[in-house]
Amino acid sequence: GAVVSQHPSRVICKSGTSVKIECRSLDFQATTMFWYRQFPKQSLMLMATSNEGSKATYEQGVEKDKFLINHASLTLSTLTVTSAHPEDSSFYICSATSGEETQYFGPGTRLLVL
Amino acid sequence: TQLLEQSPQFLSIQEGENLTVYCNSSSVFSSLQWYRQEPGEGPVLLVTVVTGGEVKKLKRLTFQFGDARKDSSLHITAAQPGDTGLYLCAGEGPNSGGSNYKLTFGKGTLLTVNP
Repeated sequence: GAVVSQHPSRVICKSGTSVKIECRSLDFQATTMFWYRQFPKQSLMLMATSNEGSKATYEQGVEKDKFLINHASLTLSTLTVTSAHPEDSSFYICSATSGEETQYFGPGTRLLVL
Repeated sequence: TQLLEQSPQFLSIQEGENLTVYCNSSSVFSSLQWYRQEPGEGPVLLVTVVTGGEVKKLKRLTFQFGDARKDSSLHITAAQPGDTGLYLCAGEGPNSGGSNYKLTFGKGTLLTVNP
């Protein structure tokens, strides 16, 4: 089946720094990638939808200047958390689709901001 | 706005028991998916239901999509400790349209099966 990877799997950073998370589709071309955030024991909340070559569409309440998304190729999307603060600590998950109904999820990235 | 209500939120049962998890909405979805997620990992797709009234079976798991495509249930027979995890339902739409296939997730049901 289709495989989606994320890097890094875990990251710890100091408050005020920026962190970049990569999401790659390993064996298919992802026309659309999604970024989710999940707090402990809670569900996935969609942050933004990213289409290759165009600007991401952000969900209501998600700051686009804080969570920068770049989908420069059909196999890579990046999420940069700028000026991270402790409240940004969360589990960030990406998913990718080639245009079919199924979204393939990555393994997630655990971000801890000190 | 929470479009998908999942219940129960937490469930702790003994090995061998049966259980049902519900996913309800006032909105119609073009399809509904069930996922299982282990701690520290991404969700893994279990099944997709598309047709109203559809029933799908996956070993000891039975999934049903309501006739009106607004609700779904997951029934597990003779639960085992390996079934422990977070079960999530997710609906495609209802307003996505186009080719984005945006998913709306329920809050999840955290299942613990004790040996």
